[in-house]
Amino acid sequence: EVQLVESGGGLVQPGGSLRLSCAASGFTFSSYEMNWVRQAPGKGLEWVSYISSSGSTIYYADSVKGRFTISRDNAKNSLYLQMNSLRAEDTAVYYCARDGGGTASSDYWGQGTLVTVSS
Amino acid sequence: EIVLTQSPATLSLSPGERATLSCRASQSVSSYLAWYQQKPGQAPRLLIYDASNRATGIPARFSGSGSGTDFTLTISSLEPEDFAVYYCQQRSNWPPGYTFGQGTKLEIK
Repeated sequence: EVQLVESGGGLVQPGGSLRLSCAASGFTFSSYEMNWVRQAPGKGLEWVSYISSSGSTIYYADSVKGRFTISRDNAKNSLYLQMNSLRAEDTAVYYCARDGGGTASSDYWGQGTLVTVSS
Repeated sequence: EIVLTQSPATLSLSPGERATLSCRASQSVSSYLAWYQQKPGQAPRLLIYDASNRATGIPARFSGSGSGTDFTLTISSLEPEDFAVYYCQQRSNWPPGYTFGQGTKLEIK
């Protein structure tokens, strides 16, 4: 069974940093592209970042470029999101999602981890 | 940047009725469009990929159609568990990344 479990969310002050993790199981993690997607309270879905299966190709949404860093450790079946210079508008539930293998969609999602940026 | 516009914002229907949700892209996305269902407090669930292919385990009452700029998600006969928010999503090569529509809330009438 495919499972994605996010962790690392919490309350952080504006300007602070947080590192999110996503533990993957039930599939060959190193073969799949991965994404982070977030959802502000009561709002819609916003794509945050993409990483290829090897980690060699990375993309970011303009809203987080220069502040967030996506990475992965295929030996540990884990995906990460380092978030620096956090702002109030970064407050959201952050989901990791598996790319559906060439389908331009995300076929499995974690349950999400809440990040709250507030003083 | 490609913008996805979903309509209507809210759709009020009764169980057993047919639901038709629309997603329009600001420029052609070929058939690279997906649909997701999200219920309160839950992660999104993939329903349709590549415009018309049902994801694993998705009931046959869900169908997708369209190509280019106009896409439709149809639920042939609404079940009580279908009332949720639906999002369309596309993946673009330039600028690289994903875009979601703003969502359609399907509510019980």
